[in-house]
Amino acid sequence: RKEVEQDPGPFNVPEGATVAFNCTYSNSASQSFFWYRQDCRKEPKLLMSVYSSGNEDGRFTAQLNRASQYISLLIRDSKLSDSATYLCVVSASGGSYIPTFGRGTSLIVHP
Amino acid sequence: NAGVTQTPKFQVLKTGQSMTLQCAQDMNHNSMYWYRQDPGMGLRLIYYSASEGTTDKGEVPNGYNVSRLNKREFSLRLESAAPSQTSVYFCASSEWAGTVGYTFGSGTRLTVV
Repeated sequence: RKEVEQDPGPFNVPEGATVAFNCTYSNSASQSFFWYRQDCRKEPKLLMSVYSSGNEDGRFTAQLNRASQYISLLIRDSKLSDSATYLCVVSASGGSYIPTFGRGTSLIVHP
Repeated sequence: NAGVTQTPKFQVLKTGQSMTLQCAQDMNHNSMYWYRQDPGMGLRLIYYSASEGTTDKGEVPNGYNVSRLNKREFSLRLESAAPSQTSVYFCASSEWAGTVGYTFGSGTRLTVV
């Protein structure tokens, strides 16, 4: 089983739709969780951290479910500019452990 | 406000040739990393340097060497390029290893023919 798994998609949604991605992780000792965004042929950029209590940043909501070992990203009112690949990142501790990147979920928002 | 700068942006090599990818960051970060990204494979860690003076192997180190020249610079060397090393290479840095606030460079697209 891969350490971090994501549905590659693509998720093809119309503007204004709500879309959600999940990311499952296998290491129960995982402590830190993040979502990155990667545009086509560009470098990944940090989108948001995922906290135990869940967190929201504008149209984006991230949640963590430790019992089932997954994190989620919800995007409301999708914009054309949200089209990208979304990578989840999981780290076992805040020490020297190097985080593991998922392979990404592709989102296409169409008019 | 450069962040992480990688050179070159594009490179074509013949099998067996060698080259060095350069990476420099200006954020006073302690940790630096080299990743490769292939279609369907996601980002895979090649080598990392948790702090100046240290380097460690990542998931796919074979065929590569690294040098942490100073706190700012971390280079990746291909001694004898192979077609399997055709990929997009990203350098990244973070304040400390394990703290995920990675800043990535814009990448190097390498083709080995």
